[in-house]
Amino acid sequence: GQQLNQSPQSMFIQEGEDVSMNCTSSSIFNTWLWYKQEPGEGPVLLIALYKAGELTSNGRLTAQFGITRKDSFLNISASIPSDVGIYFCAGSGGATNKLIFGTGTLLAVQP
Amino acid sequence: DSGVTQTPKHLITATGQRVTLRCSPRSGDLSVYWYQQSLDQGLQFLIQYYNGEERAKGNILERFSAQQFPDLHSELNLSSLELGDSALYFCASSAIGQSNSPLHFGNGTRLTVT
Repeated sequence: GQQLNQSPQSMFIQEGEDVSMNCTSSSIFNTWLWYKQEPGEGPVLLIALYKAGELTSNGRLTAQFGITRKDSFLNISASIPSDVGIYFCAGSGGATNKLIFGTGTLLAVQP
Repeated sequence: DSGVTQTPKHLITATGQRVTLRCSPRSGDLSVYWYQQSLDQGLQFLIQYYNGEERAKGNILERFSAQQFPDLHSELNLSSLELGDSALYFCASSAIGQSNSPLHFGNGTRLTVT
């Protein structure tokens, strides 16, 4: 199935470090969503972006809708152990009317 | 808590069998989506319903079918099960079912086919 390219695939960091991950598409999207999934649970919506250039924060999390509309970025500042999980981007619009998910970034935080 | 309820949480069955997964959307949400998550495939969209009608179809096998009932709960039926069908199956719901609507996911049903 169609997926977005998400990188990095995994990150192993120390508590307190900042984290950056991104998602790219060959298609233009109208919406970018960022989700976090913890073991044994479903993905939980973190941030929704609807406009090119939009920068939105949710606590220590900040996400941006890329100007080209083909990418999005998620930053986590001052990471803590409970940030551990898999982060997924998702996009919709353009050639597809479906919400497409990225391949995920596994984040591990060492206390 | 997303408000989306999925049952059962775990299901273990044998190849060739048929199972039914159930989903109750968040109160007020009209659209239900089904996703399959396996280790090597990520989150794969299967099918979407809106207010009882099929809205969009993804990579859903012919052995799989779904429906949304008048009370808006949905069921995903998986038949002639194969080992490769082992995966997490997630249901998600949204208010109006548009492609830019944020989805709210349940905690999934883990299906193991032996």
